Amino acid sequence: DAGVIQSPRHEVTEMGQEVTLRCKPISGHDYLFWYRQTMMRGLELLIYFNNNVPIDDSGMPEDRFSAKMPNASFSTLKIQPSEPRDSAVYFCASSPQNTGKETQYFGPGTRLLVL
Amino acid sequence: AQTVTQSQPEMSVQEAETVTLSCTYDTSESDYYLFWYKQPPSRQMILVIRQEAYKQQNATENRFSVNFQKAAKSFSLKISDSQLGDAAMYFCAYRRRGSQGNLIFGKGTKLSVKP
Repeated sequence: DAGVIQSPRHEVTEMGQEVTLRCKPISGHDYLFWYRQTMMRGLELLIYFNNNVPIDDSGMPEDRFSAKMPNASFSTLKIQPSEPRDSAVYFCASSPQNTGKETQYFGPGTRLLVL
Repeated sequence: AQTVTQSQPEMSVQEAETVTLSCTYDTSESDYYLFWYKQPPSRQMILVIRQEAYKQQNATENRFSVNFQKAAKSFSLKISDSQLGDAAMYFCAYRRRGSQGNLIFGKGTKLSVKP
């Protein structure tokens, strides 16, 4: 299996620009998660989907952040407009339906720098 | 609310030696999962080992093993025969069974391996 795929791996942008992060979960996984990692706050769950439906977006920091999952194999996290404080590593993870294993598998992350 | 605490921000071990990373957690639940994830400099989050709370037997994966003390709410990771490639950040994580979105991470322990 290819694992969770994220793109781009690195993104440098200027304040005010729109940023779109992409994720392809592991085939067959029903859950998809978006996390943000910073030195100050550690790993934070932003939002997660089950069968393409957003279940909990309480971790999304502001209206500038939005996430979509148009189909089972693709999700996006968009920041518009971006700000320097959004600089972080953004992880996507996926997990199978409740099989008793319930392990989340992480992608390689996207390192975002907003200047 | 559940919390995960890793009291050792940094640890160091000599190559081929054994090291134990500590993790404690707080929960009122009786059925949950515990995880150790490894994050090398590449920033990818890699699952190291998983423990189901209802299992008394400690999980083992090759050189990695855990000491799960449910009553004490302790979940330490032992790395035997440490290798240079083990150098990374290690995160302890908790999730209540059936709650896919609530994977709660500790702040992490940075492990250095000396040749």
